[in-house]
Amino acid sequence: AQSVTQPDIHITVSEGASLELRCNYSYGATPYLFWYVQSPGQGLQLLLKYFSGDTLVQGIKGFEAEFKRSQSSFNLRKPSVHWSDAAEYFCAVGGAGGTSYGKLTFGQGTILTVHP
Amino acid sequence: EADIYQTPRYLVIGTGKKITLECSQTMGHDKMYWYQQDPGMELHLIHYSYGVNSTEKGDLSSESTVSRIRTEHFPLTLESARPSHTSQYLCATPHGTGNQPQHFGDGTRLSIL
Repeated sequence: AQSVTQPDIHITVSEGASLELRCNYSYGATPYLFWYVQSPGQGLQLLLKYFSGDTLVQGIKGFEAEFKRSQSSFNLRKPSVHWSDAAEYFCAVGGAGGTSYGKLTFGQGTILTVHP
Repeated sequence: EADIYQTPRYLVIGTGKKITLECSQTMGHDKMYWYQQDPGMELHLIHYSYGVNSTEKGDLSSESTVSRIRTEHFPLTLESARPSHTSQYLCATPHGTGNQPQHFGDGTRLSIL
């Protein structure tokens, strides 16, 4: 069965500082990986995705993530955080076939607080 | 882009009432999904559909039911609401064919008194 772990429930950074949100996954084959952001009371917005190819993927709002198969990780990074980045971030893994086809399993989320 | 619409956005209702949460999409996608998200928690898949007249239960057991009579609509129904059903319900559809990223509606925040 596929699973996702986000070890950090809450992270606080200062505006302008760099950011890294951790994500570890468990999946039996090559995973499809996603990062979403959710502002309070809103739905989820896709930040970036990894399907195959280049292991460093670029997303919207200046975010990037690196897929490391050896570490089963897909960490999200941003070089300089803005106050508007304060939100909750979810990592998700998608199934590539069988009964997992087209479905996503989510991590428990990381709440990001940005101090001015 | 997939346009997904969920209504109502917020619903506060008493125990025992029948509730239907609406989800519609304008892109003609076959696959649609319902996720449940308790406050501060991760999303859990409760229902999905791969097309008209196709519905399946997700990974998290739910007392809700769904139907897929038309491609664009995927309503979720609770026959008799209970306080334990209080949660946020998010509808999603993939972008394009295959296992593409799922686009989410803004969700319905349901509170059962």
